[in-house]
Amino acid sequence: DSGVTQTPKHLITATGQRVTLRCSPRSGDLSVYWYQQSLDQGLQFLIQYYNGEERAKGNILERFSAQQFPDLHSELNLSSLELGDSALYFCASSVGSLPNQPQHFGDGTRLSIL
Amino acid sequence: AQKITQTQPGMFVQEKEAVTLDCTYDTSDPSYGLFWYKQPSSGEMIFLIYQGSYDQQNATEGRYSLNFQKARKSANLVISASQLGDSAMYFCAMREGGSSNSNSGYALNFGKGTSLLVTP
Repeated sequence: DSGVTQTPKHLITATGQRVTLRCSPRSGDLSVYWYQQSLDQGLQFLIQYYNGEERAKGNILERFSAQQFPDLHSELNLSSLELGDSALYFCASSVGSLPNQPQHFGDGTRLSIL
Repeated sequence: AQKITQTQPGMFVQEKEAVTLDCTYDTSDPSYGLFWYKQPSSGEMIFLIYQGSYDQQNATEGRYSLNFQKARKSANLVISASQLGDSAMYFCAMREGGSSNSNSGYALNFGKGTSLLVTP
């Protein structure tokens, strides 16, 4: 158990819809990262928050947004969903943002768009 | 450009044997971290081992060790005494530090992974 909690584990929805994925980081971790894993793109970094503030953006679409709340949990919002958004979405957390700090991953949310 | 290259899409190893999973990386940043993760068929990502660019010794964690060759920019994972439960996808990842990483906030760059199958 990594200590990172993601809900829901599975999500099935239709094109055009909006969903929210939730992540609770490990106790004491201030950094939260979101990644998308798909068969064609592999594991791609989406966005990072550190102590409530956006720290970095990766390959995140404009239809996607995220935030980190004062209790440090984070939500990833995906809107106007397309078939290509079907993927496994991971949240990871680390104590800080230094290169030597490992990121611990949650079990992921598997999103299926029908 | 691909920052992490894992050239072995799939590997087989017999139980109790050792296996090496290859990883090469590309960076001009002097400060970076290299990580290996395991992803079983159930999907979760499990952190295995870390090597820092300034570390003099190769990292070890139980049956896992990292063969770090800085000049060759390689960070191969060695699993000793393979077990059936080691069958999984293995990902090499890098986190860069310093000014070259100003846009990605020390996020992980992952390779495409190696699928390891341990046979009885």
